[in-house]
Amino acid sequence: EAQVTQNPRYLITVTGKKLTVTCSQNMNHEYMSWYRQDPGLGLRQIYYSMNVEVTDKGDVPEGYKVSRKEKRNFPLILESPSPNQTSLYFCASSSFGGGSQPQHFGDGTRLSIL
Amino acid sequence: ILNVEQSPQSLHVQEGDSTNFTCSFPSSNFYALHWYRWETAKSPEALFVMTLNGDEKKKGRISATLNTKEGYSYLYIKGSQPEDSATYLCAFYLAAVGFKTIFGAGTRLFVKA
Repeated sequence: EAQVTQNPRYLITVTGKKLTVTCSQNMNHEYMSWYRQDPGLGLRQIYYSMNVEVTDKGDVPEGYKVSRKEKRNFPLILESPSPNQTSLYFCASSSFGGGSQPQHFGDGTRLSIL
Repeated sequence: ILNVEQSPQSLHVQEGDSTNFTCSFPSSNFYALHWYRWETAKSPEALFVMTLNGDEKKKGRISATLNTKEGYSYLYIKGSQPEDSATYLCAFYLAAVGFKTIFGAGTRLFVKA
């Protein structure tokens, strides 16, 4: 089954404790992206990747890191999480970047930073 | 900062009503516009990918139009059903500045049986 898999689905942690949210897709998609969703603000793009070893900042990259060492994986790293990073996070992928193909979303990861 | 505006923020309709929402986006540097349907406790699912001015797309009772010159897209739902209750998101793709995606805040539709 074609899917985007995120882990964990839920996480409660404390300020400053490094964490990684994994994202994996099995559709051989070139484009992958991370979003955060906060009430009233819609989805905001954190980072995206056009292909292996190619990543770019979205609109809200501060406090996050990403890497794209393999085509299928695009982990989101919070080196020193803070309470303002409490949010619902989505990973998405599409066959090509630029909008010519729809994005496929993971089930989301709800992070709470205390 | 580029903005994508969706209106209304929320909408309550009765079963059988037809309804429409608006997505407004910058008319310059347009590359594509997507519509997504997002049900509570699920992930967004793509409805339409629109790339050409004048595009009209249809899937069952849902259709969408695109006007890139004036920077808006309409989503129409004919004969709303309770299962149409969801948040409808539009996403704008720029032709410049890499391949950023800018989402609107969504229109929350409630359909009462």
